[in-house]
Amino acid sequence: EPEVTQTPSHQVTQMGQEVILRCVPISNHLYFYWYRQILGQKVEFLVSFYNNEISEKSEIFDDQFSVERPDGSNFTLKIRSTKLEDSAMYFCASSETVEGEQYFGPGTRLTVT
Amino acid sequence: QKEVEQDPGPLSVPEGAIVSLNCTYSNSAFQYFMWYRQYSRKGPELLMYTYSSGNKEDGRFTAQVDKSSKYISLFIRDSQPSDSATYLCAMRVTGGGNKLTFGTGTQLKVEL
Repeated sequence: EPEVTQTPSHQVTQMGQEVILRCVPISNHLYFYWYRQILGQKVEFLVSFYNNEISEKSEIFDDQFSVERPDGSNFTLKIRSTKLEDSAMYFCASSETVEGEQYFGPGTRLTVT
Repeated sequence: QKEVEQDPGPLSVPEGAIVSLNCTYSNSAFQYFMWYRQYSRKGPELLMYTYSSGNKEDGRFTAQVDKSSKYISLFIRDSQPSDSATYLCAMRVTGGGNKLTFGTGTQLKVEL
């Protein structure tokens, strides 16, 4: 069964450093998303992406964040200058259509020290 | 008022019990309703996906949506220890984008 994959599973970085989280969405899916979950809190939407453009973003997704589809298979989330409060699980998701089911990857646990 | 409210639990039931999990919401524009299961430190796994009001059944799982009351439920029949997880409700509007709004999740433990 096709699935969303994410790398790395755990990333430790120092405050102020740049990190890139990588995702490979399901191959025939066209819509891609990033969500995050701070420990003990709910899953929160960050951004949706379609046709090489951001479709929607939340207030969390400020200028420190960017997304890219650098090739036909990868979808990345970059945080330019990490803060302590960026520590969270980051989940990538994808859907085949705009109103289709969103399937989530296993997540990348980001720890900012 | 939070957009989506969900009792965090924990909810502990004996094996074989019927489990009822619920969410309420305030945004009447929500039209798509989902239930995800999340094991500890894993990604959410889609269980049920419904549009508008009504019931949907899949094996031991039944999802119900009552839009008039802004209330959704997930029932698990013949619960098993492997059902022990956190259950997240999620919802989205139609036509306005595809952002999912999640509840906080209910932690379920099914005991032998």
